[in-house]
Amino acid sequence: DTEVTQTPKHLVMGMTNKKSLKCEQHMGHRAMYWYKQKAKKPPELMFVYSYEKLSINESVPSRFSPECPNSSLLNLHLHALQPEDSALYLCASSRRQTYYEQYFGPGTRLTVT
Amino acid sequence: ELKVEQNPLFLSMQEGKNYTIYCNYSTTSDRLYWYRQDPGKSLESLFVLLSNGAVKQEGRLMASLDTKARLSTLHITAAVHDLSATYFCAVELNSGNTPLVFGKGTRLSVIA
Repeated sequence: DTEVTQTPKHLVMGMTNKKSLKCEQHMGHRAMYWYKQKAKKPPELMFVYSYEKLSINESVPSRFSPECPNSSLLNLHLHALQPEDSALYLCASSRRQTYYEQYFGPGTRLTVT
Repeated sequence: ELKVEQNPLFLSMQEGKNYTIYCNYSTTSDRLYWYRQDPGKSLESLFVLLSNGAVKQEGRLMASLDTKARLSTLHITAAVHDLSATYFCAVELNSGNTPLVFGKGTRLSVIA
């Protein structure tokens, strides 16, 4: 199994909703990442987990809350989002946090209304 | 602070022609990655370049890394329409536990 899966593929939510994005990999990778990508822009790193511990938080607003319940699973909890948070959210994983290639999931297209 | 610059940002090329995309970076690094992204899709890993002088080829694409010049190139040979996509380079600092820094991407359109 050499893929990263993400659910849902599409999500529309209101500004008062609470929702979660899910990411899963079964490659034995011990680093997992959340990126945000706006149209025609490169991905922007949000969070990095290494061995299930938060390693990097790129000053992301608290309305985004990551969680890594185990080595295969990464969640992103969303609450009170703004319309400008609409974007493609990409999950990635790598064998370790540094020196290893990142594999990206298909992404969740999020629209905040 | 590591900065990564790609050029050109937009490229329209005819089928059958050759062209090169350039990726310059500002700080010492010997790890560079090339990704491809189709519209609305995720990033697909193309090449991993891990040392000075590294050269990798896959089909019509060839990537190289010159760490002394802080430059990587992605060369396209005899372009075909299927190569139309956005290509990103991403650089990882030699010091550990730092995130990848992506270039702005090159939007390639191959026309008949």
